[in-house]
Amino acid sequence: QVQLVQSGAEVKKPGASVKVSCQASGYSLTGYYLHWVRLAPGQGLEWMGWINPHSGDTKYARKFQGRVIMTRDTSSSTGYMELRRLRFDDTAVYFCAREDKGMAGTYWFDPWGQGTLVTVSS
Amino acid sequence: QSVLTQPPSASGTPGQRVTISCSGSSSNIGSQTVNWYHHLPGAGPKVVIHSNNLRPSGVPDRFSGSKSGTSASLAISGLQSEDEGDYYCATWDDSLNGPVFGGGTRLTVL
Repeated sequence: QVQLVQSGAEVKKPGASVKVSCQASGYSLTGYYLHWVRLAPGQGLEWMGWINPHSGDTKYARKFQGRVIMTRDTSSSTGYMELRRLRFDDTAVYFCAREDKGMAGTYWFDPWGQGTLVTVSS
Repeated sequence: QSVLTQPPSASGTPGQRVTISCSGSSSNIGSQTVNWYHHLPGAGPKVVIHSNNLRPSGVPDRFSGSKSGTSASLAISGLQSEDEGDYYCATWDDSLNGPVFGGGTRLTVL
């Protein structure tokens, strides 16, 4: 079945970087945009950006520009999200999600990965 | 502070009908379609309604969505314990040029 499986939890110090992976199965990674969304404690979902796995093109939310890099490895059907210069308020669960599209140009996220907890602690 | 506004909590007893609202503006809900996601701790969110009112296969017909102007609603009828969790509305925002979400509504089945 179509699914996204993410890498395990990480603990990082402030100023460090973290790289989260998201492996696709049951479909071709290059056929759909891959988005990254995070959920911080007590907050709502927050969109970080997307990557077109076919071309490698990316688009990042203004808030994360300069700190986030999204890449992919088509040979292993895996997408990656690297967040640099981590701060305490980057502590969150990070999700990858496939963009699915309707006939009228509408789109939604389905499926989502199971989430990766990133804890920033000194 | 989320771009879309949802009530923080909602509740109902088994069999009841509950609705969750989502308020936005002309640059998001007013001009785009709305999706709804159900999230349980330890798992990824699941889409329950997309394109304002369409249910993906496998989602019970107890779930329905609607949109009017700059607001949207998710209705769940015949409430069941498995419906508990957090519900998020989402859409595209033309001003921010990206997807936006509500702050989430925690649904409790009493």
